[in-house]
Amino acid sequence: EIVMTQSPATLSLSPGERATVSCRASQSVGSNLAWYHQKSGQSPRLLIYGASTRATGIPARFSGSGSGTEFTLTFSSLQSEDFGDYYCQQYNDWPVTFGGGTKVQIK
Amino acid sequence: EVLVVESGGGLVQPGGSLRLSCAASGFTFNTYVMNWVRQAAGKGPEWVSGISGSGRRTFYADSVKGRFTISRDNSKEMVYLQMDGVRDDDTAVYYCAKDTRIGAPGWFDPWGQGTLVTVSS
Repeated sequence: EIVMTQSPATLSLSPGERATVSCRASQSVGSNLAWYHQKSGQSPRLLIYGASTRATGIPARFSGSGSGTEFTLTFSSLQSEDFGDYYCQQYNDWPVTFGGGTKVQIK
Repeated sequence: EVLVVESGGGLVQPGGSLRLSCAASGFTFNTYVMNWVRQAAGKGPEWVSGISGSGRRTFYADSVKGRFTISRDNSKEMVYLQMDGVRDDDTAVYYCAKDTRIGAPGWFDPWGQGTLVTVSS
């Protein structure tokens, strides 16, 4: 199974700041990488698929990049509703696997 | 609107059984793989099982293989997860999630609101 490793585990930021979350795959997954945002008590919500394509309704301040084994999720300017947990997922092969998550919290 | 809604969670004793259900609507149900994903408290999501649109192909995580069974009823637009021989580490919120690609694993969208399964004596 492909192991997904996210870093950092926690980010403490102020609204308006720029932020970057990294995700590394134990073997190449091409561009078969998605990102999700999960607020406390809610289910995960799709942000990005195909490593860089924003899902419907996702604002342009979110962007994804990377291919192969190294991926990045970038927030150009954090808004209050952006705080919570972020997870990457590879879907290159079964079993699909998720990263351990990055918690983005208010500084 | 594409919707998936889970039900059937609850308290179950170790070694016991539970059946989760997922009602889907708003899309051509028999076209897509449907999945169960679980999330233990404070942990990341863990994919549990998937079933092809026809129901002929099923996929399982090693952690549940031989204990859980996924099935679907396309006439009712329902997906099920039969959980047998449950263990303490099966305690989690279980989500139903629609796959997005045909013929290959994809990203999941949408996810249901989740149903809590607690394994405890």
